[in-house]
Amino acid sequence: DGGITQSPKYLFRKEGQNVTLSCEQNLNHDAMYWYRQDPGQGLRLIYYSQIVNDFQKGDIAEGYSVSREKKESFPLTVTSAQKNPTAFYLCASRSAGATQSSPGTDTQYFGPGTRLTVL
Amino acid sequence: QQQVKQSPQSLIVQKGGISIINCAYENTAFDYFPWYQQFPGKGPALLIAIRPDVSEKKEGRFTISFNKSAKQFSLHIMDSQPGDSATYFCAASRLKAAGNKLTFGGGTRVLVKP
Repeated sequence: DGGITQSPKYLFRKEGQNVTLSCEQNLNHDAMYWYRQDPGQGLRLIYYSQIVNDFQKGDIAEGYSVSREKKESFPLTVTSAQKNPTAFYLCASRSAGATQSSPGTDTQYFGPGTRLTVL
Repeated sequence: QQQVKQSPQSLIVQKGGISIINCAYENTAFDYFPWYQQFPGKGPALLIAIRPDVSEKKEGRFTISFNKSAKQFSLHIMDSQPGDSATYFCAASRLKAAGNKLTFGGGTRVLVKP
């Protein structure tokens, strides 16, 4: 099956700990994204990567870090510097090369999410 | 600064009724407007999308209406069914911008009563 997998589904963290959320895709997509979802605030972009070994900060990157060593993997680390990390984290991917004449390639496909709770 | 404003935050509709969700955007450079459907505990899934060169797009019971001059677009769910109960997000992006980042609205929780 082609798709995006995220693990774990639920994650509990103690204050002061760093945790890493996994995101893997076998869609051969170039671009990958991490979003944070809080109730009533929609999805906010944390980091994105368009190609291997390159990534850019999104709107709320403080307290997070990422790596993109392989095309299919884009792990997110929530560091102890993130003040309020309890949230639902969503990973997405998209094939590059979206143009006006190729609308289908602009679709971002989302994984099932990881719910992080700080104890 | 929220660039895409979505309303209402929630709505309740009877089975067979019409659900209408509205979004307004500020950035006139946006040229791609998708709608996503999300069920509890799941990731969002693309429902339907529109470009600013058309005023309406229909796929089954779902229709997007787009008003470029007013910088508004809306989702209409016709003949709403209990299975449509979910949270709906509008979004906008610039196709030629680096990363094709999506800016999301705040979401609308739809409950369809049988």
